[in-house]
Amino acid sequence: GDSVTQMEGPVTLSEEAFLTINCTYTATGYPSLFWYVQYPGEGLQLLLKATKADDKGSNKGFEATYRKETTSFHLEKGSVQVSDSAVYFCATSRRTTDSWGKFQFGAGTQVVVTP
Amino acid sequence: DVKVTQSSRYLVKRTGEKVFLECVQDMDHENMFWYRQDPGLGLRLIYFSYDVKMKEKGDIPEGYSVSREKKERFSLILESASTNQTSMYLCASSLGPRDWGETQYFGPGTRLLVL
Repeated sequence: GDSVTQMEGPVTLSEEAFLTINCTYTATGYPSLFWYVQYPGEGLQLLLKATKADDKGSNKGFEATYRKETTSFHLEKGSVQVSDSAVYFCATSRRTTDSWGKFQFGAGTQVVVTP
Repeated sequence: DVKVTQSSRYLVKRTGEKVFLECVQDMDHENMFWYRQDPGLGLRLIYFSYDVKMKEKGDIPEGYSVSREKKERFSLILESASTNQTSMYLCASSLGPRDWGETQYFGPGTRLLVL
C-alpha cells in the first residue's frame, strides 16, 4: 500500500544552518507530493507542492524536487531561522481506480532551531 | 483566505459518551476530511466527503461516523467514546472535485481526552 517515510526527529539546528529533511514514498502511478508545516498550537498549512516528476516546489526559502526515479521529495532550506521551528509533514495524494483516492501523510519531523 | 474552524480546541469526555466534533469551512470547498494525529504516526485519514451527504471511509473509520448535511459543515461522531480515541483531531477541506493536486486547508485541531 501507499506509505510515506520521513527522517525521525527532533532535528536540532543553530540559526543560519542548512536544513534537509528526507522524504521517500511508495505509491502506484504518479502521486502529487506535498510538504505541510505545523507551528506550535496550530493546524497544518501547505508549505510547498509538486504535481509531476522533476517539478520543484518552493516557498519561504524552502525547496523540494519531485524525484520519480528515487521516489523522493526531500525538503531543504539554506539558512534556517528560529521561526522555522515546527513539525514538517511530507504527504502524497493520488487518484485510484477502486475508490475516490488515496491520501498519505508521513509521521512528521520536528525541527528545533536555536539562536 | 480559506478559513476552517473547529468547534472546540480542547474536549474532555467520559468513556461511553457520544461525542460530536464540528468543522466548518467558508470557501465553498467540495471536499472535507477528518484526520487524527498521534505522535509517531502522523496523520491518519478517518473519513472524507466529496459532496453533501456523500462520504468515503479512510484508513481508520472504525468507531467513527460522519455527517455532512450542508456543504460547509462536516461532523465527526464518536458513537461511544473509548480511551483509545484520545487524540488530536484535524479537519481539512479542499476545492475538489477529484483534483489530487489540490491543497488541503486545515483547522486548528481539537484535542480530545477520553477518561
